[in-house]
Amino acid sequence: EPEVTQTPSHQVTQMGQEVILRCVPISNHLYFYWYRQILGQKVEFLVSFYNNEISEKSEIFDDQFSVERPDGSNFTLKIRSTKLEDSAMYFCASHRDTNEKLFFGSGTQLSVL
Amino acid sequence: AQSVSQHNHHVILSEAASLELGCNYSYGGTVNLFWYVQYPGQHLQLLLKYFSGDPLVKGIKGFEAEFIKSKFSFNLRKPSVQWSDTAEYFCAVNAPGGGYQKVTFGTGTKLQVIP
Repeated sequence: EPEVTQTPSHQVTQMGQEVILRCVPISNHLYFYWYRQILGQKVEFLVSFYNNEISEKSEIFDDQFSVERPDGSNFTLKIRSTKLEDSAMYFCASHRDTNEKLFFGSGTQLSVL
Repeated sequence: AQSVSQHNHHVILSEAASLELGCNYSYGGTVNLFWYVQYPGQHLQLLLKYFSGDPLVKGIKGFEAEFIKSKFSFNLRKPSVQWSDTAEYFCAVNAPGGGYQKVTFGTGTKLQVIP
């Protein structure tokens, strides 16, 4: 089965630093998402992206967050100035058509110290 | 806004026991319903989904779920669990339409199957 690839698997950063989490969605997919899961809590929607723009974002996705699909294959999540509470597992997901299942990546564990 | 409640946070079963994990959702309109599984160290995978039609949905690995609209429930079942079913299970819901799937997840149920 095709896979969504995320790198790195684990990222450690200092509070206030910028981080970029990278995702390579499945090649013919059109809809892209970021979710996160803080340890012990539920998986939360962050943002959806379609046709080179944000479709919807949650209240978590504030001005410190941005997404980009710079080259038609990568889909990145940038956090400009990380906070301790940004420590979480970040999942990228994608799908091709409406009502098709989401394919999730294996996640990037972000640790903010 | 949608919300999802999973009543059991941690379930421990012996192999061959039957499983039922509860899920209730809150949303006023038509919904799509999902169960995802996350095995230790792995990514989220779709077990099964309900969009419309037969409310009894069969998924992978012998799992099934029943949508009961009057109870706003979508419970996951398996007649006989195996040690390899040890994982965390997430119920999820989204409102159809819009061409994208903003999925609201429940808090998850950790299932531990003892050999």
